[in-house]
Amino acid sequence: GDSVTQMEGPVTLSEEAFLTINCTYTATGYPSLFWYVQYPGEGLQLLLKATKADDKGSNKGFEATYRKETTSFHLEKGSVQVSDSAVYFCALIGGGTSYGKLTFGQGTILTVHP
Amino acid sequence: GAVVSQHPSRVICKSGTSVKIECRSLDFQATTMFWYRQFPKQSLMLMATSNEGSKATYEQGVEKDKFLINHASLTLSTLTVTSAHPEDSSFYICSAHKRGVPGQGAQYFGPGTRLLVL
Repeated sequence: GDSVTQMEGPVTLSEEAFLTINCTYTATGYPSLFWYVQYPGEGLQLLLKATKADDKGSNKGFEATYRKETTSFHLEKGSVQVSDSAVYFCALIGGGTSYGKLTFGQGTILTVHP
Repeated sequence: GAVVSQHPSRVICKSGTSVKIECRSLDFQATTMFWYRQFPKQSLMLMATSNEGSKATYEQGVEKDKFLINHASLTLSTLTVTSAHPEDSSFYICSAHKRGVPGQGAQYFGPGTRLLVL
């Protein structure tokens, strides 16, 4: 079945540091890939997505590139802020699954200190 | 736009009682709603998918008689945990797929409901 593996957390950084959160996946067909963010006390929000190989999703300074050859979708940001502290989930909708059914990674807690 | 609410945000109940959790799409119609369960420091696990006016589709290993889902309208789905036990304590999250929006990713999440069964 489909699965998503994220790097173990928590990740603790100083403000303005570079961020990478690794994500790899296993899926049938051609999945769409997503990063969701969950701020404390709030629901998940879609951060960015990519629907085909070599697509780059970007939003709020975050980027991730759909790499089919390495089955990866790593999240990066050049300079993090304290307000980026949250839990980040990598997810996919497999090409063979029913419409809208998301498979999530385990989540990575990011804490950014001033 | 695209706000999903859940009620209650947290609930504490005694073992053996039933608890109902509501999920509402406030400013859009949702053809499909999803219910997830999230354990501490773990991922979201899909429990069931519900479409308005039809029976929910449950994931393997989820007891449909224990987790009753009703999707009565295009803006409301409810999850009832029947005869709750301490092992049902968890964080329950719903999401709603916006009607008429093609493609994937048009899924909006509620803030979650924390259930504690004593």
